[in-house]
Amino acid sequence: GENVEQHPSTLSVQEGDSAVIKCTYSDSASNYFPWYKQELGKRPQLIIDIRSNVGEKKDQRIAVTLNKTAKHFSLHITETQPEDSAVYFCAASRGNQFYFGTGTSLTVIP
Amino acid sequence: KAGVTQTPRYLIKTRGQQVTLSCSPISGHRSVSWYQQTPGQGLQFLFEYFSETQRNKGNFPGRFSGRQFSNSRSEMNVSTLELGDSALYLCASSSSGQGAYNEQFFGPGTRLTVL
Repeated sequence: GENVEQHPSTLSVQEGDSAVIKCTYSDSASNYFPWYKQELGKRPQLIIDIRSNVGEKKDQRIAVTLNKTAKHFSLHITETQPEDSAVYFCAASRGNQFYFGTGTSLTVIP
Repeated sequence: KAGVTQTPRYLIKTRGQQVTLSCSPISGHRSVSWYQQTPGQGLQFLFEYFSETQRNKGNFPGRFSGRQFSNSRSEMNVSTLELGDSALYLCASSSSGQGAYNEQFFGPGTRLTVL
């Protein structure tokens, strides 16, 4: 089956700096890669996603890149703000079966 | 549209007991997936139901089972509870069928504590 690895497990950045979270996957058939943000005590919320026929997608301060050949994808957050502090999960999916990374706890220091 | 709901939100059980959790998907969504979330392990996939049929299954023992009703509501059952079953159980619903890009919407979770 699919195996998704996510790094780093924890990340601290100064407010205004950029944050990058990286994930690798093993199944070349995976074709959908969402990123979720989970604030303390809340449910995971989709923040951005990318499909296998696209190399990069951007939404304001958030961007995701996908390298299908290397089987890795990354989340980039620019101009970080304290409210970006949360746990971020990447996932790889084919159809309706999702495999999640173990999460990155991001802390933005004011 | 109302979001995904889960009941109960909190449960405390003792070892050996069984428990049933419920998930109501977003109206019109026919796929419901269940996940176990524990610190350090992320979200681990339990199973997915679509139109009352289990379509995908993760690597969990047979003590974990589920079902889906004709209105797409789903239940998950854990029998013979173990201490290690303490976790947040999340369900997620999506609208599309097999082969499509399916955005999942999560419920708030049920926090299960096994004593």
